[in-house]
Amino acid sequence: RKEVEQDPGPFNVPEGATVAFNCTYSNSASQSFFWYRQDCRKEPKLLMSVYSSGNEDGRFTAQLNRASQYISLLIRDSKLSDSATYLCVVTPSGEDKIIFGKGTRLHILP
Amino acid sequence: DVKVTQSSRYLVKRTGEKVFLECVQDMDHENMFWYRQDPGLGLRLIYFSYDVKMKEKGDIPEGYSVSREKKERFSLILESASTNQTSMYLCASSFGGNQETQYFGPGTRLLVL
Repeated sequence: RKEVEQDPGPFNVPEGATVAFNCTYSNSASQSFFWYRQDCRKEPKLLMSVYSSGNEDGRFTAQLNRASQYISLLIRDSKLSDSATYLCVVTPSGEDKIIFGKGTRLHILP
Repeated sequence: DVKVTQSSRYLVKRTGEKVFLECVQDMDHENMFWYRQDPGLGLRLIYFSYDVKMKEKGDIPEGYSVSREKKERFSLILESASTNQTSMYLCASSFGGNQETQYFGPGTRLLVL
């Protein structure tokens, strides 16, 4: 099993719809989890951290499921500007470097 | 606002040339990182540094070296560029601890002919 796995997509979603995607991780002792967003030809930027209790920021909700070892990102009322690649990031316990998933591409359609 | 800058946005070099990629951050971050990003492969860590004059190999260090003489500056060196090093190179920095947010520079698109 790969350390961090994401469905590469693309997810083609009509504007206004709700979309969700998951990211699975293999190390059960992983400690920290994040979602980054990367626009085309731009650098990744932090979207939100993922806490054990979940995290909501406006239209975005991130959740952690430790039992099944995945994190999720839910986007409600999607906007055209949400089109981007969403990278899952996991920090394994006891290691120095964080692990980036390969990303899920999201296209919001007008 | 955290700012991470990279010396070039686009670079074209010839096989065998020595290439320097510079990265500077202005937030007094302890940690700095060099990644390359390729289609279908995602971000791959080349080298990182947790302090001045300190460096650690990432997942794909072969063909690269780094230098961190000052806290704010982290340089990536391609000793003898090869065509398989054509890629997008991204520098990042963060505060101490591997649970901190990484802030990325705008990237350098390197083409090796």
